[in-house]
Amino acid sequence: AQSVTQPDIHITVSEGASLELRCNYSYGATPYLFWYVQSPGQGLQLLLKYFSGDTLVQGIKGFEAEFKRSQSSFNLRKPSVHWSDAAEYFCAVGANTDKLIFGTGTRLQVFP
Amino acid sequence: ETGVTQTPRHLVMGMTNKKSLKCEQHLGHNAMYWYKQSAKKPLELMFVYSLEERVENNSVPSRFSPECPNSSHLFLHLHTLQPEDSALYLCASSQDLGTATGELFFGEGSRLTVL
Repeated sequence: AQSVTQPDIHITVSEGASLELRCNYSYGATPYLFWYVQSPGQGLQLLLKYFSGDTLVQGIKGFEAEFKRSQSSFNLRKPSVHWSDAAEYFCAVGANTDKLIFGTGTRLQVFP
Repeated sequence: ETGVTQTPRHLVMGMTNKKSLKCEQHLGHNAMYWYKQSAKKPLELMFVYSLEERVENNSVPSRFSPECPNSSHLFLHLHTLQPEDSALYLCASSQDLGTATGELFFGEGSRLTVL
């Protein structure tokens, strides 16, 4: 079955610390992979996406993610977190004309 | 006006009321979507429209009725809802159907509370 797993429901980091949010997927075909962010009271905004090519993709707001086919993972990283990064982060997977499948999200809390 | 706009942002209704959620996109996109976001659950795709035609209805109860009068507007009509229908309802649009077209653009959502 096609699925996306975000094993961390809630993560807390200090401002300036590095961040890694985990995402694992189960998908029959070569997937397209996405990370979205949802700030409080807002809709979802695309951070970055992977379709093909270089497995390390850069996104907005200083985020990057690496596609590891052997591990079925697409983890999101940021070297230094800012207080404004506090939000909920969603990993999503799809392919071609398929609809997107979203994970349950990881809530990031940032302490000053 | 930019992006995807949803109104109202907050709605409280009784189980016997009839109300509607409205979504408008100013991006010239051809596909529009309704999602339901509940706490600790993945986003649930409810309805998909492409060029004003419904292309997907994911076993959504009939108390939710979508309407897409043109490619820029999408409505979700609500009637005789249940308390478990309380959630954030998100509208989204994309250039065309399918993941290959890339990004979904989301509105800020309508927070629905059913008493």
